[in-house]
Amino acid sequence: GAGVSQSPSNKVTEKGKDVELRCDPISGHTALYWYRQRLGQGLEFLIYFQGNSAPDKSGLPSDRFSAERTGESVSTLTIQRTQQEDSAVYLCASSPMTGSAEAFFGQGTRLTVV
Amino acid sequence: DQQVKQNSPSLSVQEGRISILNCDYTNSMFDYFLWYKKYPAEGPTFLISISSIKDKNEDGRFTVFLNKSAKHLSLHIVPSQPGDSAVYFCAASDRDKIIFGKGTRLHILP
Repeated sequence: GAGVSQSPSNKVTEKGKDVELRCDPISGHTALYWYRQRLGQGLEFLIYFQGNSAPDKSGLPSDRFSAERTGESVSTLTIQRTQQEDSAVYLCASSPMTGSAEAFFGQGTRLTVV
Repeated sequence: DQQVKQNSPSLSVQEGRISILNCDYTNSMFDYFLWYKKYPAEGPTFLISISSIKDKNEDGRFTVFLNKSAKHLSLHIVPSQPGDSAVYFCAASDRDKIIFGKGTRLHILP
């Protein structure tokens, strides 16, 4: 596709359930980021993948959060035992890392934990 | 600890006037700065960027100024148009992860 694709666009889940969010980056982009935006807040960094390097997981808020990326393609963000404070828009971005740091964002997944 | 700070949560500007959005940062290792624009229910879109070796970058109505000694950058939009109403995020990169500020909501008044 032409841009970063995220699925699902909306997800409502019950507290305590696990959820999996998917991101398809732009083809050829080696860098992939996950961010979270809670209501009225800014973009909170979660995790960063760059090629075959070990991911930077420094932004993950708890061990309930994990993410994987297969090579330089699809990434999944998994939240286990969801809590109401996990409700947010989860945004994925990819970057070609050609010297500039410009990242291209997907539309996001709106997660609501009830 | 916020490394990128946007201290004004909102700003209102008359159509046709200049909009100035400000951003401060704390990490002197940042070597690239970016501005993103976000409309409701959409992902952020890249607007303009500047390398730390420059002090100004201009693209049409948008100009970004960087003051490294003050660790401050600003985005100027002139003339402001109704379609500029959005949330603007300042971001900084050290060639690793990109850190964003909390955003400033810009309202362009008719």
